[in-house]
Amino acid sequence: KAGVTQTPRYLIKTRGQQVTLSCSPISGHRSVSWYQQTPGQGLQFLFEYFSETQRNKGNFPGRFSGRQFSNSRSEMNVSTLELGDSALYLCASSEGGGNQPQHFGDGTRLSIL
Amino acid sequence: GESVGLHLPTLSVQEGDNSIINCAYSNSASDYFIWYKQESGKGPQFIIDIRSNMDKRQGQRVTVLLNKTVKHLSLQIAATQPGDSAVYFCAENRGSNYQLIWGAGTKLIIKP
Repeated sequence: KAGVTQTPRYLIKTRGQQVTLSCSPISGHRSVSWYQQTPGQGLQFLFEYFSETQRNKGNFPGRFSGRQFSNSRSEMNVSTLELGDSALYLCASSEGGGNQPQHFGDGTRLSIL
Repeated sequence: GESVGLHLPTLSVQEGDNSIINCAYSNSASDYFIWYKQESGKGPQFIIDIRSNMDKRQGQRVTVLLNKTVKHLSLQIAATQPGDSAVYFCAENRGSNYQLIWGAGTKLIIKP
């Protein structure tokens, strides 16, 4: 069974631009979570989707948004990029979320110039 | 406060010895705990999980111990190998909350 796939792996943007990251979960998994990982803050939860509905959201500004499609694939969007948005963005999927293991992709490394 | 913390940021272990990585949590309502391994350039890899109705769970070369009295979690790796070098994270979940709370991570270094 294929793992979680995130595209692109690397991305370079400039301040003020917007970006869309994509995540394809493990087949059969309906829950997708997004995290931001930085050296100083560790893994920070962004949001979680299940059956196209956002069930939980972390403490990030409204510039960070996401969505999930009927095939469970998910995208996250960051608008008006800031230098502090430079990070590794990780996507994880699980069968139903909650008390179940999440399985991660290798992330998208976003660099803001 | 609500946090999952790690006692040691870096742990050096001789190859072949056992490794013990510790984690403290503060919320007694947490009912699910999970350990991940993250190698450089990769996403976190699931190692083992444990629910709050258990004290111990074993996997292949790994054991997780949960002490709810002192809110402490540990990961034991037997016969540590060079491939075990990575950053290890503990995380917790609280019932119906679809959000893992993560610790800061412990870097495990294997000495030859």
